[in-house]
Amino acid sequence: DTAVSQTPKYLVTQMGNDKSIKCEQNLGHDTMYWYKQDSKKFLKIMFSYNNKELIINETVPNRFSPKSPDKAHLNLHINSLELGDSAVYFCASSQGDLRFGYTFGSGTRLTVV
Amino acid sequence: QKEVEQNSGPLSVPEGAIASLNCTYSDRGSQSFFWYRQYSGKSPELIMSIYSNGDKEDGRFTAQLNKASQYVSLLIRDSQPSDSATYLCAVRRGFQKLVFGTGTRLLVSP
Repeated sequence: DTAVSQTPKYLVTQMGNDKSIKCEQNLGHDTMYWYKQDSKKFLKIMFSYNNKELIINETVPNRFSPKSPDKAHLNLHINSLELGDSAVYFCASSQGDLRFGYTFGSGTRLTVV
Repeated sequence: QKEVEQNSGPLSVPEGAIASLNCTYSDRGSQSFFWYRQYSGKSPELIMSIYSNGDKEDGRFTAQLNKASQYVSLLIRDSQPSDSATYLCAVRRGFQKLVFGTGTRLLVSP
């Protein structure tokens, strides 16, 4: 009964490859997010979707493309992976006025070699 | 200036003591504030949210907000070794965006 689930949990890949991370939430939330956490634990927002509509698109390279087929799913596709993309990527979801903050997924540790 | 600033620590306290974690923010118009706890290798989990000036208590945790001074703090009473983690302060910006600090690492020694 995981509330926000991400797959895969670990991803090791070579530079130049393309990879995807999937996220699903069963909380009935309207908004979903992708955050990147670097090696210094800094969590930075990348994208946010509200009811399948893109509402936040931070300064992220074009190689990153989110897709939300419905409000319960938000996927992240990354083209031409670079060493600097190595990080932990967290999916999160929230409802309404953010009174309860975000619920985070378990994270995907991406290592580019 | 970072939007949300925290001392990275580590903050070391003995078991049973009060741990005090602090956070300052730059946007004077911020209205909602959150404290998250993150164990190593795990995802952040919400501890508390606070919206009004003053104190808000939940069990061993107390969040304190001072909008005039633009700081928010988290007190953990009777600290336990299981409280050892990184504590992230987050501030709401805009519709539904949270901006996080870099976190303070707390170490509680038995």
